[in-house]
Amino acid sequence: EAGVTQSPTHLIKTRGQQATLRCSPISGHTSVYWYQQALGLGLQFLLWYDEGEERNRGNFPPRFSGRQFPNYSSELNVNALELEDSALYLCASSLFMGGSSTDTQYFGPGTRLTVL
Amino acid sequence: QQQVKQSPQSLIVQKGGISIINCAYENTAFDYFPWYQQFPGKGPALLIAIRPDVSEKKEGRFTISFNKSAKQFSLHIMDSQPGDSATYFCAASRRRNSGDSNYQLIWGAGTKLIIKP
Repeated sequence: EAGVTQSPTHLIKTRGQQATLRCSPISGHTSVYWYQQALGLGLQFLLWYDEGEERNRGNFPPRFSGRQFPNYSSELNVNALELEDSALYLCASSLFMGGSSTDTQYFGPGTRLTVL
Repeated sequence: QQQVKQSPQSLIVQKGGISIINCAYENTAFDYFPWYQQFPGKGPALLIAIRPDVSEKKEGRFTISFNKSAKQFSLHIMDSQPGDSATYFCAASRRRNSGDSNYQLIWGAGTKLIIKP
């Protein structure tokens, strides 16, 4: 079974540009989570998509946005890039079993975004 | 109340020794406690997880100990090896419910573990 995949592996942009990052979840998983991990630091929750809808977002400005497609893949867009947006962006997927249950997240390898 | 506090921030252990990383939480609604292992430049990988109905879970050299009354849980790595050198994250969450809009996995800050040969 293929794991979570992300593209591109690396992305270099200049300040003020827009970046688009892509994530394909594990087959059958309907939830996608996005995290930002600055160098040497912990994971900061960005966005959660489930069944095509945004369910929750972390404490990030509106220039961080995204969407989830009918095939459950997802896209993260970062507008008006700033130097401090340089980080590893991680995508995770999960399969919600319904009702009230544990939600285990499986991560992709990440996209390293560098803003110059 | 949503925080998970992880310690130490960094840890150096001799090969063959026991590595111990601790986490504490406040929210008594949490009932899922996973540990993730992350190598440089890679995404975190689920290592082991525990539910509060057990006090200990062991998988190979990795053991989670859980103390519900103290609201603490810890990861023990027995016979630590240089290949175990990585950053370890604890996390916690409550159960996710249908139609949930504010479900989130709460992460500790991470522990950078170095195993010296």
